[in-house]
Amino acid sequence: DAKTTQPPSMDCAEGRAANLPCNHSTISGNEYVYWYRQIHSQGPQYIIHGLKNNETNEMASLIITEDRKSSTLILPHATLRDTAVYYCIVSPEYGNKLVFGAGTILRVKS
Amino acid sequence: DTAVSQTPKYLVTQMGNDKSIKCEQNLGHDTMYWYKQDSKKFLKIMFSYNNKELIINETVPNRFSPKSPDKAHLNLHINSLELGDSAVYFCASSQGRRSVTFGPGTRLTVT
Repeated sequence: DAKTTQPPSMDCAEGRAANLPCNHSTISGNEYVYWYRQIHSQGPQYIIHGLKNNETNEMASLIITEDRKSSTLILPHATLRDTAVYYCIVSPEYGNKLVFGAGTILRVKS
Repeated sequence: DTAVSQTPKYLVTQMGNDKSIKCEQNLGHDTMYWYKQDSKKFLKIMFSYNNKELIINETVPNRFSPKSPDKAHLNLHINSLELGDSAVYFCASSQGRRSVTFGPGTRLTVT
């Protein structure tokens, strides 16, 4: 079973920041937080990951709370193409046995 | 310059048939996977191979048999197909401690 809890859906206005929360209160010390997204009918796409520090790349920012029990994925300027299901995953290693939950359906609206 | 490719993209077949889905990655990754996404959209890992050796085998019926002829290929053979096998199957790969790259998926419909 997935070790994360996410809201089932969220809406965001185009051009605004999308903030997607994730709870992972049982995360272990050696587990990373990963974010993937799945645009309709496509394979999941890696977005970002982190252990305890905040991370930023060209796609998004990841904010992890100090106690590591929750995190937020931030898409700074959401576009219509960011409409997708976003999955928050905790895993002890890169890539091995990603356990996907139901994710959050993000709808970006014009 | 496709990273992870799968064939076919769509597969429609009848119950009881045997079918295969092929997967190839040109990323030089040493680990490959098969995931299944059912009608409820949940993604679950089925198998994982590292350098042609099976390292993860979830509780998948033995009608499903992965075969890895080399590091770049991981094919999925399914015998005696059942209605419940209808799903989208995703091949994926990763290199060591890096992110997983997924293929475009194969939609299998069993009638």
